[in-house]
Amino acid sequence: DTEVTQTPKHLVMGMTNKKSLKCEQHMGHRAMYWYKQKAKKPPELMFVYSYEKLSINESVPSRFSPECPNSSLLNLHLHALQPEDSALYLCASSPVKYGKGGRENTGELFFGEGSRLTVL
Amino acid sequence: KNQVEQSPQSLIILEGKNCTLQCNYTVSPFSNLRWYKQDTGRGPVSLTIMTFSENTKSNGRYTATLDADTKQSSLHITASQLSDSASYICVVSAYVKLIFGTGTLLAVQP
Repeated sequence: DTEVTQTPKHLVMGMTNKKSLKCEQHMGHRAMYWYKQKAKKPPELMFVYSYEKLSINESVPSRFSPECPNSSLLNLHLHALQPEDSALYLCASSPVKYGKGGRENTGELFFGEGSRLTVL
Repeated sequence: KNQVEQSPQSLIILEGKNCTLQCNYTVSPFSNLRWYKQDTGRGPVSLTIMTFSENTKSNGRYTATLDADTKQSSLHITASQLSDSASYICVVSAYVKLIFGTGTLLAVQP
């Protein structure tokens, strides 16, 4: 199984709603990521989990709350979002490898299909 | 500052023609460089990876090159097909950190 599965594919929510995006992979990857992508722009890193622990938070507003319940699952909890948060949210996973310089990111990201979020 | 710049921003070609996309980077330390293809509304998919010692690598009709001295990479698409219409993103790995390029939007017309 070489898939990263994201649900829901589409989500419309109001600014007062609480919702969650879910991501699942069964490739044994121990690094998982959330990216945000606006139209015609490259993905922007939000969070990185390594061995189920949050290792990178790219100064993301607290209205986005990530959670990694186990090595296969990654959630993104959404609360009190703004219309400008509307975007494609991509989950990715990658194997963790170690080279001469220590931990290496091979850049081999396996992306899910994304969750298209619209905030009204 | 670590940066990855791609050119052109967008490109329109006729089906069956060849094209070349460019990626220039200023990333240190350099670990590897990947080209991704992203269809509209889908997640990116890796096409090829280039490490420091590799100059050329092919994946079907896609051929990537890397010049580590000038810090440039190119992706050449041969005999383009309508399904090649997508955004192509160059991603450079600086060991732990990944730096995404700005992308090239390719449209292949019949």
